[in-house]
Amino acid sequence: DIQLTQSPSFLSASVGDRVTFTCRASQGISSYLTWYQQKPGKAPKVLIYAASTLQSGVPSRFSGSGSGTEFTLTISGLQPEDFATYYCQQLKTYPRTFGQGTRLEIK
Amino acid sequence: QVQLVESGGGVVQPGRSLRLSCAASGFTFSTYAMHWIRQAPGGGLEWVAVIWYDGSQKYYTDSVEGRFTISRDNSKNTLYLQMNSLRAEDTAVYYCAKTETNGWYEDVWGQGTTVTVSS
Repeated sequence: DIQLTQSPSFLSASVGDRVTFTCRASQGISSYLTWYQQKPGKAPKVLIYAASTLQSGVPSRFSGSGSGTEFTLTISGLQPEDFATYYCQQLKTYPRTFGQGTRLEIK
Repeated sequence: QVQLVESGGGVVQPGRSLRLSCAASGFTFSTYAMHWIRQAPGGGLEWVAVIWYDGSQKYYTDSVEGRFTISRDNSKNTLYLQMNSLRAEDTAVYYCAKTETNGWYEDVWGQGTTVTVSS
């Protein structure tokens, strides 16, 4: 199975900051990576798919990059509604797997 | 309105069985692959299983292989997850989710149903 490792596990930041999360795959997955945002008590919401394609309706301050085994999600100019947990998911093979998540909190 | 509504969760003893259902509406259910994804209390997301639009292919995560069975009834627009030999570590909120047209992500999720395995 493909393992995804997200770093950091926890990040404290302020409104207006630029933050970057990393997701590393245990083997190459080309661009078969999706980023989700989840808020407490809610189902996840897709932000980025195919590693770098912004989902319709998602603010342009979110961006994704990477290919192969290393991927990043960047938020440029944090807004209060961005404080949540972020997960990456690989779609290269079954079983699909998620990273363990990065929890973003307000400093 | 596109909607998924899970049901069937509850408290069950270890070793017992439970069947979850997911009722779909607002889209042509029979043309999309469907997933079950779970989240343990305070934990991260764990993909559980997928079934092709016509039921012809099914895949499972290793920890449930042989114990859980995913199925669907396209005439009833309903997805199922039969869970046998339940363990404490199966305790989680279980979400059903619809695959986006090109398979890049799950674009519609239910609200989740809670399964608690405890004696």
